[in-house]
Amino acid sequence: GEDVEQSLFLSVREGDSSVINCTYTDSSSTYLYWYKQEPGAGLQLLTYIFSNMDMKQDQRLTVLLNKKDKHLSLRIADTQTGDSAIYFCAERRQTGANNLFFGTGTRLTVIP
Amino acid sequence: DTAVSQTPKYLVTQMGNDKSIKCEQNLGHDTMYWYKQDSKKFLKIMFSYNNKELIINETVPNRFSPKSPDKAHLNLHINSLELGDSAVYFCASSHIYREGLTKNIQYFGAGTRLSVL
Repeated sequence: GEDVEQSLFLSVREGDSSVINCTYTDSSSTYLYWYKQEPGAGLQLLTYIFSNMDMKQDQRLTVLLNKKDKHLSLRIADTQTGDSAIYFCAERRQTGANNLFFGTGTRLTVIP
Repeated sequence: DTAVSQTPKYLVTQMGNDKSIKCEQNLGHDTMYWYKQDSKKFLKIMFSYNNKELIINETVPNRFSPKSPDKAHLNLHINSLELGDSAVYFCASSHIYREGLTKNIQYFGAGTRLSVL
């Protein structure tokens, strides 16, 4: 399909791990991104992964990429209340321009 | 220093009015974008501008017109506002797209919440 898909909601307890999943659409997308949006704020880039990688780790964040299934996930270790936000995955499609196509966003709620 | 700044942060207006949202970036980027985020948080690209040239326009009504006085600014002008235009509009910028260039990360402004009454 045309749309990048994510689950809309996720709740976790403080200190647990969070896993946010994304299914993207274009198998030739070169870069995949995770952005975070806090309430009333803009989008902040968290991390990205190049399509020839399976995994990327950056402190508490781990990105896993399954190109065959066009599946991307973001794992947040030791989730904190400050991690509560909406998380968007985005793919950069091969359209000749720097087009980013965003997922529907996953609202992560961290319960103290 | 704010890298990508938009003004105003909030805009409330009546149907039929014409309004503009301004965007400025101080990152030295060549390309700027406008995105629309609707009430369900769906985020869609509207335009991108590269060296004063419009390079994409994703089925946006022609009531919306981007205007770029220079490479650090991309303003969004909207004519004859409709109720369905109510949304949060985000500006973003990046280096110019070139095939094989790494990352091309887009940096976003804080958004302008437009409410059409």
